[in-house]
Amino acid sequence: NAGVTQTPKFQVLKTGQSMTLQCAQDMNHNSMYWYRQDPGMGLRLIYYSASEGTTDKGEVPNGYNVSRLNKREFSLRLESAAPSQTSVYFCASSEPGAAYGYTFGSGTRLTVV
Amino acid sequence: KQEVTQIPAALSVPEGENLVLNCSFTDSAIYNLQWFRQDPGKGLTSLLLIQSSQREQTSGRLNASLDKSSGRSTLYIAASQPGDSATYLCAADSNYQLIWGAGTKLIIKP
Repeated sequence: NAGVTQTPKFQVLKTGQSMTLQCAQDMNHNSMYWYRQDPGMGLRLIYYSASEGTTDKGEVPNGYNVSRLNKREFSLRLESAAPSQTSVYFCASSEPGAAYGYTFGSGTRLTVV
Repeated sequence: KQEVTQIPAALSVPEGENLVLNCSFTDSAIYNLQWFRQDPGKGLTSLLLIQSSQREQTSGRLNASLDKSSGRSTLYIAASQPGDSATYLCAADSNYQLIWGAGTKLIIKP
């Protein structure tokens, strides 16, 4: 089925470890996004890529880096994980101006101990 | 800065009732407003998208309205069912970035 695929689904890291969250979409969307979701709060944008070759900071970019590898793939890297980065991370894609909205992946539940 | 608020934070109603979820936003300059559903431990499922030029959208038992002048959107669920239990999120698309409400947790009691 067409959509957004995220890996891994679950991850436990120790403080200071690094990891990369992978995201791929097969809908030929130009824009891709990384969000985090914390209890009692709305989703917050970490980084986004309006089109292949561009990336921009969102609301909460500190502690993260991203790479738009190609049109399909957009990865999120934590260089030195901190307990404050314990969260659920969602990747999404969209085609700006299209009649449909955003499509989300199923999420990565990350715990930093 | 766009802010999105959803009221109530939680709602519990008996099966069969019609109900309304509310979403308000502070900046009327939006491209569209989207409603999502999230089940516990799951991702987000898009329910309805209302373009800025539209007043409402319907899908099955769901109807979403948009009033940009008052900064409000409502999601109407007709004849609620236990399977409708989930958290409902609204998001305003401002400058191609989604600004989210914190959600309304809905419980439909059999």
